[in-house]
Amino acid sequence: GAVVSQHPSRVICKSGTSVKIECRSLDFQATTMFWYRQFPKQSLMLMATSNEGSKATYEQGVEKDKFLINHASLTLSTLTVTSAHPEDSSFYICSAELAGGYSGANVLTFGAGSRLTVL
Amino acid sequence: ILNVEQSPQSLHVQEGDSTNFTCSFPSSNFYALHWYRWETAKSPEALFVMTLNGDEKKKGRISATLNTKEGYSYLYIKGSQPEDSATYLCAFKSGGYQKVTFGTGTKLQVIP
Repeated sequence: GAVVSQHPSRVICKSGTSVKIECRSLDFQATTMFWYRQFPKQSLMLMATSNEGSKATYEQGVEKDKFLINHASLTLSTLTVTSAHPEDSSFYICSAELAGGYSGANVLTFGAGSRLTVL
Repeated sequence: ILNVEQSPQSLHVQEGDSTNFTCSFPSSNFYALHWYRWETAKSPEALFVMTLNGDEKKKGRISATLNTKEGYSYLYIKGSQPEDSATYLCAFKSGGYQKVTFGTGTKLQVIP
């Protein structure tokens, strides 16, 4: 089946540094990838939608200059948290939608998530 | 902002018991409803995608129903087993949008 590899699974960094999280679709092409953030005891909050070869669409309230998303190929999307602060500490997870257009029948294939801790 | 709610937030059941939980979503502009199972330290795994009012889906001991007119879906687990312990997420997709909106999940623990 479709697999999305996400890494790192855990990362600890100092305030002011940047952290990159990668998501790769291993055996399928993903024209669309979604990036989510999860706060404790809350639902997955969509941060942005990235389409291969075009700029990401950010949800309201998500700073695009802070959370840089790149989807340069059909198998790789990256999220870079720039100038990280302790309040950026969270669980980040990506999902991919199979290529071939979207429909309600397209399930999402998720990565395993990345736990970011900013000291 | 779309409101997708799941209840209960968590529950504990004994092995062998059957259980069910609810996902409520907007009844207008419905496109699809997804159910995912999320085990600790793993990726969320798709269970069902439901698109038609009255849909019933089944996968082993797990089944789901859908009522788009009133905006709810039920997930049923028959004869719960410890390996069913997970968080169950529903996700609502409205017409015309790529994204789905997730509920907060129901965390199920099956006690041996």
